[in-house]
Amino acid sequence: GAGVSQSPSNKVTEKGKDVELRCDPISGHTALYWYRQSLGQGLEFLIYFQGNSAPDKSGLPSDRFSAERTGGSVSTLTIQRTQQEDSAVYLCASSLARTGTEAFFGQGTRLTVV
Amino acid sequence: AQSVTQPDIHITVSEGASLELRCNYSYGATPYLFWYVQSPGQGLQLLLKYFSGDTLVQGIKGFEAEFKRSQSSFNLRKPSVHWSDAAEYFCAVGAPGTGGFKTIFGAGTRLFVKA
Repeated sequence: GAGVSQSPSNKVTEKGKDVELRCDPISGHTALYWYRQSLGQGLEFLIYFQGNSAPDKSGLPSDRFSAERTGGSVSTLTIQRTQQEDSAVYLCASSLARTGTEAFFGQGTRLTVV
Repeated sequence: AQSVTQPDIHITVSEGASLELRCNYSYGATPYLFWYVQSPGQGLQLLLKYFSGDTLVQGIKGFEAEFKRSQSSFNLRKPSVHWSDAAEYFCAVGAPGTGGFKTIFGAGTRLFVKA
């Protein structure tokens, strides 16, 4: 596609439910990032995929968070047993991962846990 | 590992005044440096980037940034701020690493513009 696509754009869920957030990166981009942006906060790194390498999961805040990237393209971020503090905008970005290339961001998914 | 610090959580400037947003990075070699802007309700947009060469980099919307190796800084500047510049600004550093080129973002600086 023309840009990074994220779905849904908004998600309201009840506390304790599981949610899945989807990211379609730009075609051909081998690197994919997930970030979280809480209200009034900066970008919090969650996870990084690069080609067939093992993902860098160092930013995942708890074991309730997981992410997959199927076929080196689409990625799904799953949050199990959601808590109110999980409410945030979840941003996905992709890049060519060649040295020096910039990341392109999607519009994000706004998650609200009630 | 690389890291980025943006010391100012928020800054307020008057319309027409000059602006400087600070960014300090930590990386062992020459990094690749970026500034992004996030306007209200919008996604992140690249303002400018530095890889090598001239240490003063020009970007879109009249912004520029200067790379200073001795200070490990990459501050963003604009001579005259417009009300539409009110947004959140993110500095980022990228570097080759295991598995490819990885970009790390600072926490951001929110810019308020007063009339």
